[in-house]
Amino acid sequence: NAGVMQNPRHLVRRRGQEARLRCSPMKGHSHVYWYRQLPEEGLKFMVYLQKENIIDESGMPKERFSAEFPKEGPSILRIQQVVRGDSAAYFCASSPGQSAYNEQFFGPGTRLTVL
Amino acid sequence: KNQVEQSPQSLIILEGKNCTLQCNYTVSPFSNLRWYKQDTGRGPVSLTIMTFSENTKSNGRYTATLDADTKQSSLHITASQLSDSASYICVALEGAAGNKLTFGGGTRVLVKP
Repeated sequence: NAGVMQNPRHLVRRRGQEARLRCSPMKGHSHVYWYRQLPEEGLKFMVYLQKENIIDESGMPKERFSAEFPKEGPSILRIQQVVRGDSAAYFCASSPGQSAYNEQFFGPGTRLTVL
Repeated sequence: KNQVEQSPQSLIILEGKNCTLQCNYTVSPFSNLRWYKQDTGRGPVSLTIMTFSENTKSNGRYTATLDADTKQSSLHITASQLSDSASYICVALEGAAGNKLTFGGGTRVLVKP
C-alpha cells in the first residue's frame, strides 16, 4: 500500500507563472488536507477536501490559490501568478474518514521556489 | 486564537541520553493532541495520538504525556539514537468532528555521537 504521493517534489517558477501541485492520497483514503510550511516556520493548515467537495478552506489565501479533489485523479493545489512569498514546502496529507481520531498520513511535500 | 507553543526551539544531546520536549496549547474546542517526527526534507510522521482522557502513551522509545487541565504535553525520548535527529512537532486537533490541525513550531533535536 503506497503512501501519500506528491509530485513534483521540487518546482521552480518565475514570478507571475502558475504552479500546480499534485497529491495522490493513500489507497482507500477519501479525505485530503493541504498544509504550507514557510522557511523556518511550522506547518499551517490551508484546505480540507473530500472527493469533489471543499470542506474547509479557512486557511487558504483569498486570492490566487485554489484546490480541488476530483472524482477521479489526484488532488490539485493551484497557485496562480506566483510571487516570491509563495516559496515554501507544501505538504498534502490524507485520512480514511472524518473522525477526529483518524491519523493523517503526510506526503513528502513539494518544495516550491519562486525566482 | 488557537496556538501551540513548543520549547526548547532546539536541543543537542549525546547519543544514549534522554531528553524531554515541552508543548503548551491553546486550542478550543480541543479534541486530541499528536506528536510528529519530521526528518529534514520529508513529511511529518505520527508518533502518538492522545485524547483528553489519556495521560500517557508510548511508542517504542518515545513517551508522550498530556495534562488536559493545564493544557500541557511532553515528549520524552529515552536512550537517544543518531536517527532521532529530527524536528518534533506538537499538534492539536480542533473540535470533535473537524480535522483542522494546529501545529507548533517544532523542536529541532540533534543527537551527537
